[in-house]
Amino acid sequence: DSGVTQTPKHLITATGQRVTLRCSPRSGDLSVYWYQQSLDQGLQFLIQYYNGEERAKGNILERFSAQQFPDLHSELNLSSLELGDSALYFCASSVAPGQGYEQYFGPGTRLTVT
Amino acid sequence: ELKVEQNPLFLSMQEGKNYTIYCNYSTTSDRLYWYRQDPGKSLESLFVLLSNGAVKQEGRLMASLDTKARLSTLHITAAVHDLSATYFCAVAPETSGSRLTFGEGTQLTVNP
Repeated sequence: DSGVTQTPKHLITATGQRVTLRCSPRSGDLSVYWYQQSLDQGLQFLIQYYNGEERAKGNILERFSAQQFPDLHSELNLSSLELGDSALYFCASSVAPGQGYEQYFGPGTRLTVT
Repeated sequence: ELKVEQNPLFLSMQEGKNYTIYCNYSTTSDRLYWYRQDPGKSLESLFVLLSNGAVKQEGRLMASLDTKARLSTLHITAAVHDLSATYFCAVAPETSGSRLTFGEGTQLTVNP
């Protein structure tokens, strides 16, 4: 158990819908990362937050957005869902945003869009 | 664009044998990470390599980093069935901050 929690574990929804994925980082970690894992794209970085501020953006679609709240939990919002958004979404956290800090991954949310 | 390539992508080996997984990356980085993933599960951190020449060992796994060659290896010694999993390497070069760029993963199956 990494100490990072994600809810829900599974989500099944229809195309065009909107969902929110939630992540709580390890106690003491200020930086949160979101990654997407799919069969065709592999593991891809989406976005990073540090202490409430957006720090870096990766291959995140405009239909997706995220935020980190004052209590440091983070939410990833996915809207106008398409079949291709079906994937495993991981949240990771680290103490600080620097390169040498280990990232600890949560259990993931499996999203299925039908 | 940073590329991280692993080989082999699929590896089937017998228990008791040794093998090496290779991870090549396309840009300068002295930070490399190895993760393990069991089917449908999360990523478990195995090693964090933070400098050229770094070598770390845990049980039957040993990882090393050669930043000049832009190459990391994950060596498996006397494999056992419990090591069956997918192994990912990931790089976080200075130019991209702390975001991780992952390789495709190596799916390892250890047969009795």
